Amino acid sequence: DTAVSQTPKYLVTQMGNDKSIKCEQNLGHDTMYWYKQDSKKFLKIMFSYNNKELIINETVPNRFSPKSPDKAHLNLHINSLELGDSAVYFCASSQGRRGSNEKLFFGSGTQLSVL
Amino acid sequence: RKEVEQDPGPFNVPEGATVAFNCTYSNSASQSFFWYRQDCRKEPKLLMSVYSSGNEDGRFTAQLNRASQYISLLIRDSKLSDSATYLCVVNWAGTASKLTFGTGTRLQVTL
Repeated sequence: DTAVSQTPKYLVTQMGNDKSIKCEQNLGHDTMYWYKQDSKKFLKIMFSYNNKELIINETVPNRFSPKSPDKAHLNLHINSLELGDSAVYFCASSQGRRGSNEKLFFGSGTQLSVL
Repeated sequence: RKEVEQDPGPFNVPEGATVAFNCTYSNSASQSFFWYRQDCRKEPKLLMSVYSSGNEDGRFTAQLNRASQYISLLIRDSKLSDSATYLCVVNWAGTASKLTFGTGTRLQVTL
């Protein structure tokens, strides 16, 4: 009965490959996010979706493409992976339209290692 | 200057000690403030919100100083299980999509 679940937990891949990370939340939240946490532990928002609508798109290379088939799912597809993409990617969700409730619930993270 | 700055630590304290972390933020328009806790290799979890008048939750006390633009977290009677990284989080826009995270202060509580 995990609230925010993401898969896979670990992803090891070669440079240049394309990979996807999936996220699902069963909290009934309207807003979902992707965050990136780099090796210096800096947690930075990448994207935010409200009920399938993209509302935040920070300065992220267009190799990263989020997709939200419904409000309970937000997937992240990454094309042409680069060494610098190695990080932990966290999915999160929050209640309220456009994240009006500020409490974030995070998934357990996907550790991406690009070799 | 970083938007949210924290001393990375680590703070090594014995069980039972009192420890305090500070965090400074650069945007004077910031509206809401939080402390999140992140265990090693785990996701961040909300520890507590920080209110203007200061607030307490058991052994944890959070304070806000808007004039000096800093917030603090005090942990009394530290437990081994308090060992984690504490992330200071600031929001200037009132929506979760504008939360800005500090890089965290690592606490290690020892016997």
